Amino acid sequence: AQRVTQPEKLLSVFKGAPVELKCNYSYSGSPELFWYVQYSRQRLQLLLRHISRESIKGFTADLNKGETSFHLKKPFAQEEDSAMYYCALKSNFGNEKLTFGTGTRLTIIP
Amino acid sequence: DAGVIQSPRHEVTEMGQEVTLRCKPISGHDYLFWYRQTMMRGLELLIYFNNNVPIDDSGMPEDRFSAKMPNASFSTLKIQPSEPRDSAVYFCASSLWGLARNEQFFGPGTRLTVL
Repeated sequence: AQRVTQPEKLLSVFKGAPVELKCNYSYSGSPELFWYVQYSRQRLQLLLRHISRESIKGFTADLNKGETSFHLKKPFAQEEDSAMYYCALKSNFGNEKLTFGTGTRLTIIP
Repeated sequence: DAGVIQSPRHEVTEMGQEVTLRCKPISGHDYLFWYRQTMMRGLELLIYFNNNVPIDDSGMPEDRFSAKMPNASFSTLKIQPSEPRDSAVYFCASSLWGLARNEQFFGPGTRLTVL
């Protein structure tokens, strides 16, 4: 069974401080990991996927298979980063099912 | 393109009533997904379709839930009879192809309240 754990329901960070949103997963194979974001009064949208190895809006995430983690990081938080963040996992067996974590609400304090 | 369209945006009904949620995916997208979001369980996949065919319905909670996709531009999620524990936000999403290299686009959601 696949599972995604986001241990923090709420996270508050001062503007300009580093941000780290934690995500741990449980899966027996090689997973594909994603971060989704939902800004206030907007639709849920993809932020980044691990296979792209890209930085989006200053955010990066590295897949650590040894620690089964996919933490989302940004060196300097901005007020517009305040949002709900979801980590998600997909198996690599051709099934398009995404398993989501319960989400972390990030609040940036001005 | 208006993106994924869902209707109604809000639904309030009484226990025992039938509820039908509707979704129009982005034109040309082959995959359609139905999700349910609750405070306790977060976002859960209920079912997804590929080319109008249901592929994985393992997330459908019980027989009271059913989903159909009669054509490439329309899908429904039906709950009959509805119960208070079905109260949640239901999202529809679509993607062009598989999710490994294609973004999944979400609709605005339908907030369902069952009294």
